[in-house]
Amino acid sequence: SQTIHQWPATLVQPVGSPLSLECTVEGTSNPNLYWYRQAAGRGLQLLFYSVGIGQISSEVPQNLSASRPQDRQFILSSKKLLLSDSGFYLCAWREAGGANVLTFGAGSRLTVL
Amino acid sequence: AQTVTQSQPEMSVQEAETVTLSCTYDTSESDYYLFWYKQPPSRQMILVIRQEAYKQQNATENRFSVNFQKAAKSFSLKISDSQLGDAAMYFCAYRSGFRTSGTYKYIFGTGTRLKVLA
Repeated sequence: SQTIHQWPATLVQPVGSPLSLECTVEGTSNPNLYWYRQAAGRGLQLLFYSVGIGQISSEVPQNLSASRPQDRQFILSSKKLLLSDSGFYLCAWREAGGANVLTFGAGSRLTVL
Repeated sequence: AQTVTQSQPEMSVQEAETVTLSCTYDTSESDYYLFWYKQPPSRQMILVIRQEAYKQQNATENRFSVNFQKAAKSFSLKISDSQLGDAAMYFCAYRSGFRTSGTYKYIFGTGTRLKVLA
């Protein structure tokens, strides 16, 4: 069966420091991958999505970036964090050409101080 | 661009009673899917129910059912016989048509927090 892992689960970082959140999917090939941010009162905001290695679509221009170095690995990064980057980050996947359901990881809570 | 609106930030329901959560969306597409996701205090997102836009019949999953009004662009969730475990944040979501980027976009509303009173 397919599983999705996200880490770290919790992160506290100072303003201006770098960020790396990682997401991996097991048990499937060529998944479509998504990064969302959940801020209070704003629901889930789509940040990036990817259909394959090195293929990234960006939805929100900001100081975050995403990369997909391997088929089942999706990384969210920042060179210099802002206070406004605090939030709950969710990775999700769907089976390419398959069911339309998005399956989510457990999330990563980022606090920028 | 597609948008999803949940106008009820918070709802309360008595245990064993029925509650309806509202969702409206805006789109010019004809091919799309709609979903309700549940996010309990653990914050794990869980699929509750889905509806294909081309299907006129409303989807049901045990105590959960939807009222899909395509012309009105409305997609409400009804929870019958509410249980304490139903207490969570509920998100309505829209899946777009296929994009030139090679996949679909999933747009979420801002959520409705459901409280279940014992």
